[in-house]
Amino acid sequence: AQSVTQLGSHVSVSEGALVLLRCNYSSSVPPYLFWYVQYPNQGLQLLLKYTTGATLVKGINGFEAEFKKSETSFHLTKPSAHMSDAAEYFCAVSFYSSASKIIFGSGTRLSIRP
Amino acid sequence: SAVISQKPSRDICQRGTSLTIQCQVDSQVTMMFWYRQQPGQSLTLIATANQGSEATYESGFVIDKFPISRPNLTFSTLTVSNMSPEDSSIYLCSVAHSPPNYGYTFGSGTRLTVV
Repeated sequence: AQSVTQLGSHVSVSEGALVLLRCNYSSSVPPYLFWYVQYPNQGLQLLLKYTTGATLVKGINGFEAEFKKSETSFHLTKPSAHMSDAAEYFCAVSFYSSASKIIFGSGTRLSIRP
Repeated sequence: SAVISQKPSRDICQRGTSLTIQCQVDSQVTMMFWYRQQPGQSLTLIATANQGSEATYESGFVIDKFPISRPNLTFSTLTVSNMSPEDSSIYLCSVAHSPPNYGYTFGSGTRLTVV
C-alpha cells in the first residue's frame, strides 16, 4: 500500500533561514509526488510536483524539492524563509492514472520567527 | 487545469440534519474525489465518485452516511447525513488531470460546523 510520512508536525525557522520540510513515501510502483500549501482558512494550492524526468523540481514562491528514489524521499526546501511562508504544508503521493487517488501526509505547520 | 466551484463555502447545521455539498467543474473529468479535513488534521479520502456507477468508498466511510451522486462528467454532490458534532470538518472535492499535465485540482472547501 502507498503511504506518505512527514517528519515533524511543526517546524519553526527564522526569517531568512533555510526551510527544510521532510517527506518520505512508501510505494511498490513509481510514484508521482506533490507538495501542497494551505494558508489559514484557505484551500489547497499546488507548490510543485514530480511525475517524470528531472528529479529536482522547482515550484512557486521559491520552493523546490528533489525526488530521491534510493532514499524514498521528496523533501521540500527554500533557501530563505519569508514571513509569508507561514502555512501548513502537505506532501502527497499518487500514481500514473487519472483514476488514481492522491494520498496525503499528516502535514507540517511552518512557522517563521521574525 | 480545471476550475472547480464548490458550494456552500460554509454552513452551520443542527445535529441530526443532512447537508448536500456541490462541486461543479468547468471541464469533463473522469474521476472526482471527496476528502474530509478534520480540524488541525490532514486530508482523508472519503470516496471516489464515478460517473454512471456507484462511488467507491474508503475504509471507515459508508454510503448511508456519505451518499454521493455523479450524474455527469462535470458535477458531483456529497451529502453528510444525520450529522453529529464529530462531522464538523472541511469537505473538499478534487479532480485528477490526465497526462501529460498530471495533477489534481481542489475545490475551495466547505467548512461545516454541526451544533
